[in-house]
Amino acid sequence: DTAVSQTPKYLVTQMGNDKSIKCEQNLGHDTMYWYKQDSKKFLKIMFSYNNKELIINETVPNRFSPKSPDKAHLNLHINSLELGDSAVYFCASGCWAGPINEQFFGPGTRLTVL
Amino acid sequence: EDQVTQSPEALRLQEGESSSLNCSYTVSGLRGLFWYRQDPGKGPEFLFTLYSAGEEKEKERLKATLTKKESFLHITAPKPEDSATYLCAVQAISNAGGTSYGKLTFGQGTILTVHP
Repeated sequence: DTAVSQTPKYLVTQMGNDKSIKCEQNLGHDTMYWYKQDSKKFLKIMFSYNNKELIINETVPNRFSPKSPDKAHLNLHINSLELGDSAVYFCASGCWAGPINEQFFGPGTRLTVL
Repeated sequence: EDQVTQSPEALRLQEGESSSLNCSYTVSGLRGLFWYRQDPGKGPEFLFTLYSAGEEKEKERLKATLTKKESFLHITAPKPEDSATYLCAVQAISNAGGTSYGKLTFGQGTILTVHP
């Protein structure tokens, strides 16, 4: 019954490593998002995909590369991890073009870079 | 640039003590204003969407209202289980008259603690 799921829940890694976070939604939405929540709990959008097409790309280092194999999945790959990448990453989904614009969030992935 | 400011940053209430949280916003054209609840270690949980000034929505002890510059989340007779961080976000209409592709701009949140 999980609407938006993410794996893993926790990710602890060393600086310089490459890691991926996966997201899946079963709500039938056409748009998926990645948000980053920093230590002050401030949520900021990173990317958005609509029907597998990148439509939002905020000022994010190009070490971050999202990939959407289909409209139910959106993965986030991070190369050469840095200390400042430590945060909680949330996936969300919604229908951007329709009259109902709510976004539904996953449980988050807490990334810690040592 | 769209901006959202929430106040207060933290609010402590006694059980049953009603109060309000404020969300002030500036946006080129408002498509929707959203309220979310976030519990520690979890993702934001959707509460309300407001689309136009004067609109109100209610859910249990919560009522959200909207003006052209701000939104309020009123909490009536709160219970300890209402303790959480409440997030406000806006979704803008792009200057070109299209959509903002659903981008949400969030405030920093209000941490609500309700003591029994």
